[in-house]
Amino acid sequence: GAGVSQSPRYKVAKRGQDVALRCDPISGHVSLFWYQQALGQGPEFLTYFQNEAQLDKSGLPSDRFFAERPEGSVSTLKIQRTQQEDSAVYLCASSLDRNQPQHFGDGTRLSIL
Amino acid sequence: AQSVTQPDIHITVSEGASLELRCNYSYGATPYLFWYVQSPGQGLQLLLKYFSGDTLVQGIKGFEAEFKRSQSSFNLRKPSVHWSDAAEYFCAVGPNYGGSQGNLIFGKGTKLSVKP
Repeated sequence: GAGVSQSPRYKVAKRGQDVALRCDPISGHVSLFWYQQALGQGPEFLTYFQNEAQLDKSGLPSDRFFAERPEGSVSTLKIQRTQQEDSAVYLCASSLDRNQPQHFGDGTRLSIL
Repeated sequence: AQSVTQPDIHITVSEGASLELRCNYSYGATPYLFWYVQSPGQGLQLLLKYFSGDTLVQGIKGFEAEFKRSQSSFNLRKPSVHWSDAAEYFCAVGPNYGGSQGNLIFGKGTKLSVKP
């Protein structure tokens, strides 16, 4: 597609369940970022990939959060044993390389009951 | 620590009036600067960016922003607001590692409402 695609758009899970969020970046984009946006806040950085290499995961809030990009294209953000505080919109962004502006997907709104 | 401050949480302007959204940053080096817009339920759309050079940058939808190093500011302006500009606006800074961009640091956003 022309833009960054994220799925699902909405996800409801019970506390303690595991979830997986998918990001399809723009074709050919080397850099991929994940951000978390809490209600009424700006996005906050979670992790960064350059191709398949995860170069920065300093923003991941706990070891329950895990991200991968095994073939340097599609990325998955996994959250294990979800907690209520994980409720947020998760945004994925990609860029041609680190020198270019980031293009964002529409996000996945995650609600933990 | 690096940070971005958007002092105005919510601004209301009349359609056709001018607009200025404020952004101040705290950063140890010369940052890359961005303004993004977010409509409800949507992702972020890039309005404009400043990397280097001319401190007055033009963006899409008639927006412009001016980088003022002495004031650590990057305010967004539009001379005449349209009803379709109602949205949330985010200022962001990115690290400048010898010309490379890394993750973005965002402000908390300013919600713009437009009165008819």
